[in-house]
Amino acid sequence: ETGVTQTPRHLVMGMTNKKSLKCEQHLGHNAMYWYKQSAKKPLELMFVYNFKEQTENNSVPSRFSPECPNSSHLFLHLHTLQPEDSALYLCASSQETGLLNNEQFFGPGTRLTVL
Amino acid sequence: AQSVTQPDIHITVSEGASLELRCNYSYGATPYLFWYVQSPGQGLQLLLKYFSGDTLVQGIKGFEAEFKRSQSSFNLRKPSVHWSDAAEYFCAVVPMDTGRRALTFGSGTRLQVQP
Repeated sequence: ETGVTQTPRHLVMGMTNKKSLKCEQHLGHNAMYWYKQSAKKPLELMFVYNFKEQTENNSVPSRFSPECPNSSHLFLHLHTLQPEDSALYLCASSQETGLLNNEQFFGPGTRLTVL
Repeated sequence: AQSVTQPDIHITVSEGASLELRCNYSYGATPYLFWYVQSPGQGLQLLLKYFSGDTLVQGIKGFEAEFKRSQSSFNLRKPSVHWSDAAEYFCAVVPMDTGRRALTFGSGTRLQVQP
């Protein structure tokens, strides 16, 4: 138990569906991250939030829309996804992005399948 | 180009044997270095990290890693592998010479442990 939870753990959706992934951290951190883990590819950073402000968008398609209403919660809204978006989506948190000792704590991930 | 490389995609060792997983980085300045482990169906757990100081770093679960500046390497080692160590291992870096604090991951090494 890392203090970072993600729901749902598994999600199957059609290409025309709208769904959301949720991440919550109980560590008092101020930075939160979304990563994508596809088969046979390195973990890819998608978005970074620091004190609720988005500080990084790693050229992610607009069909992925993040939301960070407060420092404890992070959402990833999904709309008209493609089958190649099927992956494990990992959330992480850290104290804040400006620190040199920026240890990140990961949630268990949401396994997304797009049909 | 800046990168982190794990040359071994898949390694199989016998239980009780020693283990070394390789990680090389290519950055202008020595980055902060991390090793994470991912068990099947789980998120990532930090094994150890290196920021500065003693080049031999001790981590959890009996793992250690040695930073070698001359070789741009940060190899992970364990003297005696247990069956429960079967997992995927990721080397990751945070560059020191950019403002970016998010992790950049290697492609991972999958460890299989034979009885």
